Amino acid sequence: DTGVSQDPRHKITKRGQNVTFRCDPISEHNRLYWYRQTLGQGPEFLTYFQNEAQLEKSRLLSDRFSAERPKGSFSTLEIQRTEQGDSAMYLCASSLKGGAEAFFGQGTRLTVV
Amino acid sequence: AQSVTQLDSQVPVFEEAPVELRCNYSSSVSVYLFWYVQYPNQGLQLLLKYLSGSTLVESINGFEAEFNKSQTSFHLRKPSVHISDTAEYFCAVSVGFGTQGGKLIFGQGTELSVKP
Repeated sequence: DTGVSQDPRHKITKRGQNVTFRCDPISEHNRLYWYRQTLGQGPEFLTYFQNEAQLEKSRLLSDRFSAERPKGSFSTLEIQRTEQGDSAMYLCASSLKGGAEAFFGQGTRLTVV
Repeated sequence: AQSVTQLDSQVPVFEEAPVELRCNYSSSVSVYLFWYVQYPNQGLQLLLKYLSGSTLVESINGFEAEFNKSQTSFHLRKPSVHISDTAEYFCAVSVGFGTQGGKLIFGQGTELSVKP
């Protein structure tokens, strides 16, 4: 297993377009997290899944954002009607339930022009 | 609610000099503490963690951090830095890994720049 994988690594989109990112966690990990990191800031928690259930969503996750983990394996994060303020690095992490270490992917850098 | 403050946004230091990156946290409940490192255009890698037990924790590459409950701090230190330690360092807390879900609250980051 090669760790947490995110696709694409980079995405440039025009304002108003929809984008979707994918995250493949470490295979035996049942928890999956999404974070957003803007320039010069630490990552901010967006949401997390335990298996296929989305158990918590941050207030940062507006109605334009939706995340899914349909079979408890990979996850997608969709942003509808993108805005320039959505430009950021989107990080995915996974861990075992009850595990103290979260493993991060390399992130998807989104640029909205 | 929990919060994390990293007291220095940038720390320039010469190679082989000692360094300390400061981290303070605020929480009304017990927390777990972490330091993550991020190299340019990369994700985060766990450097070290404090869960319980000895308040001094060490990483395999010479970093150490000490949990100080009375001062609510978890400062990161290294006695002699290398050029390859140049990176962004993030302090983070979590309130738990059971029902609380294990989400991390991060500080703003400290950019460590090691000069020859």
